[in-house]
Amino acid sequence: EIVMTQSPATLSVSPGDRATLSCRASQSVSSKLAWYQQKPGQAPRLLIYGASTRATGIPARFSGSGSGTEFTLTISSLQSEDFAVYYCQQYDNWPPFTFGPGTKVDIK
Amino acid sequence: QVQLQESGPGLVKPSETPSLTCTVSGGSISSSYWSWIRQPPGKGLEWIGYIYYTGSTNYNPSLKSRVTISVDTSKNQFSLKLSSVTAADTAVYYCARLDGYISGGFDSWGQGTLVTVSS
Repeated sequence: EIVMTQSPATLSVSPGDRATLSCRASQSVSSKLAWYQQKPGQAPRLLIYGASTRATGIPARFSGSGSGTEFTLTISSLQSEDFAVYYCQQYDNWPPFTFGPGTKVDIK
Repeated sequence: QVQLQESGPGLVKPSETPSLTCTVSGGSISSSYWSWIRQPPGKGLEWIGYIYYTGSTNYNPSLKSRVTISVDTSKNQFSLKLSSVTAADTAVYYCARLDGYISGGFDSWGQGTLVTVSS
C-alpha cells in the first residue's frame, strides 16, 4: 500500500498571501495525484488531478506541481473561502486508493 | 455533473450489518465507476471500494472481508454492506463517482451520511 504524507499539518496564512502545501508518496505514483478541498460539514471537492490539471470550475489561483513522490499544491492569493482542509490522493497503485492525512489551512 | 445522495440507518449496534444506499441523479449510473469512502469524526479519508455498472468490484484489502458493494442500474443506485461493525466503523460514509476515464479522481460526492456504531 502506498502511504501518503502531508506537511505541514496546519498552515496559518493571512488572506491574500500565498499558501504552499506539500504531499509525499512512499513510492512513485508518477503524476497520478489528486488534491481535494474539504470545508467543515461538507464533502471533499476535487481541485486538481494528474498532479497539475485543475478540475472543472476550479479557480486559477489553485495550482499543482510535482511528479514521482513529491507534490505541491499552491494557492496564489488566499481568499476567505479557501480556508479548509486539503487532502492529496494517489491513484497510481491500487487497491487501495490512498489519501494523505490532510493539511488544515487556517486564518493567521 | 451528477448528484449523489446517501441514505442509511444512522445508528447501528455492534456486530450488525448495516446497508447504505447511494442514489445517482442527473446522469446514468451505467457509465462510470462508483465508490464508497468513509471519514471517522475528526479524521482523514479512507477508500472502501468501488463498483462498475457491470457489477465488477474492487475493495480496500483492509476491509475486503467485510464489504459488499452492489449496483441496481434500474434504480440508478448502488449500495454498501459492511458486516460485523464495531465502534471503529463509526464514520461519515460518502458515495462518490470515480472518473476512471479522464481525471482518475473522485469528481462528484454525496453530502455524506453519519453511521454511529453503539449499543
